[in-house]
Amino acid sequence: SAVISQKPSRDICQRGTSLTIQCQVDSQVTMMFWYRQQPGQSLTLIATANQGSEATYESGFVIDKFPISRPNLTFSTLTVSNMSPEDSSIYLCSVPAGSGYTFGSGTRLTVV
Amino acid sequence: LAKTTQPISMDSYEGQEVNITCSHNNIATNDYITWYQQFPSQGPRFIIQGYKTKVTNEVASLFIPADRKSSTLSLPRVSLSDTAVYYCLALPVFGKGTRLSVIA
Repeated sequence: SAVISQKPSRDICQRGTSLTIQCQVDSQVTMMFWYRQQPGQSLTLIATANQGSEATYESGFVIDKFPISRPNLTFSTLTVSNMSPEDSSIYLCSVPAGSGYTFGSGTRLTVV
Repeated sequence: LAKTTQPISMDSYEGQEVNITCSHNNIATNDYITWYQQFPSQGPRFIIQGYKTKVTNEVASLFIPADRKSSTLSLPRVSLSDTAVYYCLALPVFGKGTRLSVIA
């Protein structure tokens, strides 16, 4: 199954700044998913990123706040823009692999 | 996208069989049911997936009735290391998960 390298693993950021999270996959995949997991909560799908087209955002998430790039079939970035303490979460990327999905190790973001 | 409902939490003693049932009344015809396990500070880990009837692997069994409106994850003889959150989902949407606590 696919292996995902996600960076950074954690960061502490000042409010009002932006952070870009990267996911590199060791194989070509058409779809990549970005999730947010707030403390003690389940994973919430932010958007689906397809190579060559604009990402599809779920209700409650907008491109201005969470711009996504998908320049090729093995790489994607998610930017958390104009951060506030409410954005403190774990962010994960995921790709279809075999019977299910493979997840990155996550980025633990703390906004102060 | 199918919505899933499962118990918020369950407790079990070591060595017991644990069954976690999930309802997914509006599952689409082509959706598979997938179960994931998540430990604190880690990403979700795939456990098992099925479409209908019964699927078994080295970790768990999954029972899905003919109407596919529910599924049951069965963990045989749980140990303390099985304490985790278990998610039932029709990918890519996660439900709220079941927090399983295994007690010595």
